[in-house]
Amino acid sequence: AQSVTQPDIHITVSEGASLELRCNYSYGATPYLFWYVQSPGQGLQLLLKYFSGDTLVQGIKGFEAEFKRSQSSFNLRKPSVHWSDAAEYFCAVEGYGGSQGNLIFGKGTKLSVKP
Amino acid sequence: DVKVTQSSRYLVKRTGEKVFLECVQDMDHENMFWYRQDPGLGLRLIYFSYDVKMKEKGDIPEGYSVSREKKERFSLILESASTNQTSMYLCATRTRVTNYGYTFGSGTRLTVV
Repeated sequence: AQSVTQPDIHITVSEGASLELRCNYSYGATPYLFWYVQSPGQGLQLLLKYFSGDTLVQGIKGFEAEFKRSQSSFNLRKPSVHWSDAAEYFCAVEGYGGSQGNLIFGKGTKLSVKP
Repeated sequence: DVKVTQSSRYLVKRTGEKVFLECVQDMDHENMFWYRQDPGLGLRLIYFSYDVKMKEKGDIPEGYSVSREKKERFSLILESASTNQTSMYLCATRTRVTNYGYTFGSGTRLTVV
């Protein structure tokens, strides 16, 4: 079965520091991968997505993610974190077979930013 | 931009009540989804729909039903609300034509007392 693992439940970084959020997936074919961000009390907003081609994808708000097939990973990065980046981040993979078109989400990583 | 509107941001209901959560989208998307979100559990799929009058069970359909009489509206129904259904409920849509991922509503935080 398809699955997504975000190993870090909570991460704290200082403002201005770099950030990497980890995501590993289990999937039997070429995956469609997504990162979403959720601010407190809000719905989810799409940060970026990977379908094919260049394995380094750029998203909104200065985020990028790199697809590594050999490691089954799709880690999210940002070179310099801003206080407004404090939120919860979800990695997702699109299902196939009976779940085609459905997104399977990781359990999320909560990001706190220290001044 | 696609707008996905959930009718209530906050809702408080009593145990045993029948509860309707409404989701309306304005971009003619075929697919619509209902998730619940709980701390430490992430998002779990309750029901989804690929078209009008079509519905499919997700991972946790027990205690819920859905209705999709019009393409733009997807309703989640709690037939007899229970305290363990206290949660954040998120509606999402996507089009089958292109894959831009899901668009989410702002969520409804339901408390069952």
